[in-house]
Amino acid sequence: DVKVTQSSRYLVKRTGEKVFLECVQDMDHENMFWYRQDPGLGLRLIYFSYDVKMKEKGDIPEGYSVSREKKERFSLILESASTNQTSMYLCASSLYGVEQYFGPGTRLTVT
Amino acid sequence: GEDVEQSLFLSVREGDSSVINCTYTDSSSTYLYWYKQEPGAGLQLLTYIFSNMDMKQDQRLTVLLNKKDKHLSLRIADTQTGDSAIYFCAEKSPDSNYQLIWGAGTKLIIKP
Repeated sequence: DVKVTQSSRYLVKRTGEKVFLECVQDMDHENMFWYRQDPGLGLRLIYFSYDVKMKEKGDIPEGYSVSREKKERFSLILESASTNQTSMYLCASSLYGVEQYFGPGTRLTVT
Repeated sequence: GEDVEQSLFLSVREGDSSVINCTYTDSSSTYLYWYKQEPGAGLQLLTYIFSNMDMKQDQRLTVLLNKKDKHLSLRIADTQTGDSAIYFCAEKSPDSNYQLIWGAGTKLIIKP
């Protein structure tokens, strides 16, 4: 079974803090994704990576950066957290880009 | 433009069939998906259909694809309380090998 894990289920941070969200997958998948999920808006792609050290912007990259130093790990970084980044963050991975496997999500609150 | 649309809520009685509908805009889509998100959890792939198919059945789930109308539906027979979840429709982006285009999700509410 594919397993995608995220470092925290719940996180509370203050405005202006630097925030790291970590995602690890154990199936040697090439592709990894970071989404945010907001009610009524569905999933919006922040960044994705199709190989180590390779990344591409998704639909809403502003205010975020990513890092993929190892194949199994994909990190999402909020350089200076703001209240409008309060959301559910979902990480996913895929092998051939068809079926995506998701982690349980991190609910981030920025106060 | 690329857009996937679905209703935000659907309420059905336990034991009835649920039909969740989705429309998409890109006629060249090759794969269409249904994902399920249970409360407090990530998304899980339920089923998918290739664009050269009209129907796919898997136990209580039936997926119907109408390519002419760009309409996808998910029917859940004999709906149970465990089916309470948000159901997301998604299509493979024609512009990318990696990306999916997501609907906003339909929350399925089961009435006893």
